[in-house]
Amino acid sequence: QKEVEQNSGPLSVPEGAIASLNCTYSDRGSQSFFWYRQYSGKSPELIMFIYSNGDKEDGRFTAQLNKASQYVSLLIRDSQPSDSATYLCAVYSGAGSYQLTFGKGTKLSVIP
Amino acid sequence: GAGVSQTPSNKVTEKGKYVELRCDPISGHTALYWYRQSLGQGPEFLIYFQGTGAADDSGLPNDRFFAVRPEGSVSTLKIQRTERGDSAVYLCASSFSDRAVRYFGPGTRLTVL
Repeated sequence: QKEVEQNSGPLSVPEGAIASLNCTYSDRGSQSFFWYRQYSGKSPELIMFIYSNGDKEDGRFTAQLNKASQYVSLLIRDSQPSDSATYLCAVYSGAGSYQLTFGKGTKLSVIP
Repeated sequence: GAGVSQTPSNKVTEKGKYVELRCDPISGHTALYWYRQSLGQGPEFLIYFQGTGAADDSGLPNDRFFAVRPEGSVSTLKIQRTERGDSAVYLCASSFSDRAVRYFGPGTRLTVL
């Protein structure tokens, strides 16, 4: 069974600090990796996706992928109170699988 | 353009009743997905449509759940003989293809009393 693991948190960081969110996955054949942000009572919103090993930067967000170690992380620089939300890691296995498997999410709280 | 829309936003029903949840995907998206999200959990896959056909319904929990997409656009998730355990937020997502990014609708919060 394909699993995606995340620390449920809450992860508390002061405003302006770097928030580091981690995710591990069990299916070594996984191809694509997504980070979604979900505010309380709202639907998931795509933040970033990454396919290749290494780093991918988009504004204050950096996704990091290490397929050998089967982990993907999301760094949020200069954290703002508006970043407070649950961050969901999702993994697409590809190879004929249509399923996007989600972790339970990490709740991030940015303290002003 | 418009995003994924879902109706109703909230549905309260009694145990044993039948409910229908509607999803209107982003125009031009051929792939449509239904997910269910319980409190404190990530979205759980239910069913995937490519066009009008259900390409993968392996996530449907049992035969009380059924979904259709007759014209390849709007989809309806149908739940018969609802149970209290069906209470959750039902999310719909769409994408250009199964490999493309999936965009979620606002969800329908189903409460079974």
